[in-house]
Amino acid sequence: AQKVTQAQTEISVVEKEDVTLDCVYETRDTTYYLFWYKQPPSGELVFLIRRNSFDEQNEISGRYSWNFQKSTSSFNFTITASQVVDSAVYFCALSPGGGEYGNKLVFGAGTILRVKS
Amino acid sequence: DAGITQSPRHKVTETGTPVTLRCHQTENHRYMYWYRQDPGHGLRLIHYSYGVKDTDKGEVSDGYSVSRSKTEDFLLTLESATSSQTSVYFCAIREGLAPYNEQFFGPGTRLTVL
Repeated sequence: AQKVTQAQTEISVVEKEDVTLDCVYETRDTTYYLFWYKQPPSGELVFLIRRNSFDEQNEISGRYSWNFQKSTSSFNFTITASQVVDSAVYFCALSPGGGEYGNKLVFGAGTILRVKS
Repeated sequence: DAGITQSPRHKVTETGTPVTLRCHQTENHRYMYWYRQDPGHGLRLIHYSYGVKDTDKGEVSDGYSVSRSKTEDFLLTLESATSSQTSVYFCAIREGLAPYNEQFFGPGTRLTVL
């Protein structure tokens, strides 16, 4: 069975602070895929990034960066110089590589990020 | 924009009534999913489809059924709605057949069962 834990229920920061959202996952699959999604106050789910289990390279996209470490089963997300528009719920998700449930996404409970001006 | 719409967007119904939610996509994706979102649980898979008339259960399928008679439509039915089915329902598609492809979500349907 797969499981995703986002231990931080809610984080509040002041604009321009850096913030890291933690994600720890559990799976017995050797091949799997990790994702981050953003859910702004408007409610839609926005895809941010995908990582394959065999690719541990970190990734940077503008102010966003992701740190994938298989040794600690973590896939953390850092926002540098946060902005008010980053306020949202962020979900980490895991997809099994073996086709179980049509490669469903297993979601963490989400982290609410509040960025204050 | 993955061309996914959901209807209705909001619905209030009473316990014991049947409810059908519709997901419509315009790009002929093979895989479609229904999730429900509840506080503290993130999103959980209800049912999914891997083609016309090909559907299967997810983790929280009790009380739900689905149908897919056309590629573009995936219907979720609550045969007899209960208060525990009050939730936000999201439909998703997965582009292509590769298991690593990301899923894209519709705008969601907020269902309240009184």
